[in-house]
Amino acid sequence: EVQLVESGGGLVQPGGSLRLSCAASGFTFSSYSMNWVRQAPGKGLEWVSYISSSSSTIYYADSVKGRFTISRDNAKNSLYLQMNSLRDEDTAVYYCAKNVEMATMGYWGQGTLVTVSS
Amino acid sequence: SYVLTQPPSVSVAPGQTARITCGGNNIGSKSVHWYQQKPGQAPVLVVYDDSDRPSGIPERFSGSNSGNTATLTISRVEAGDEADYYCQVWDSSSDHPGVVFGGGTKLTVL
Repeated sequence: EVQLVESGGGLVQPGGSLRLSCAASGFTFSSYSMNWVRQAPGKGLEWVSYISSSSSTIYYADSVKGRFTISRDNAKNSLYLQMNSLRDEDTAVYYCAKNVEMATMGYWGQGTLVTVSS
Repeated sequence: SYVLTQPPSVSVAPGQTARITCGGNNIGSKSVHWYQQKPGQAPVLVVYDDSDRPSGIPERFSGSNSGNTATLTISRVEAGDEADYYCQVWDSSSDHPGVVFGGGTKLTVL
């Protein structure tokens, strides 16, 4: 059974940093590309970042480019999102999602809440 | 950047057919995926590549895509289908490739 478990969320002040993790199990993690997707309270889904299976290809949404860094450790079956220079508008539930095909998110974690507030 | 437009809400009586549209410039040339999200839960893929269903998704869920509009059709709607639905594509047309989601449609079962 595919499982994705996010962690690392919490309350952080504007300008601060946070590192999210996503622990994967139940599939060959190193064979699949992954995404981070976020959802602000009461709002729709917003894609954040994509990373290929080997980390050779990475994309970011314009809203986070230059501030967020996606990475993965295939030996640890883990996906990460380093978030720097956080803003109020980054407040959201952050989901990691496994692609079944290019950009087709077949499996999602339950999300971790990031709150940016002073 | 590429934009996907969904109606904010759709209402349907139980047993009837719900159609949720997703508009985008020449969206028929892209592969469209649909997600269902119930309150407090993570999204679930219900249709991918315009019209395919993942295992475990009822046949009542179907999709089509042509021209400037993709459509998610839910036949014989049940109370448990009440949720938010999002369409999604991969936009490779710009200098900044990436995933694009529609704004979401709230399906209300009357």
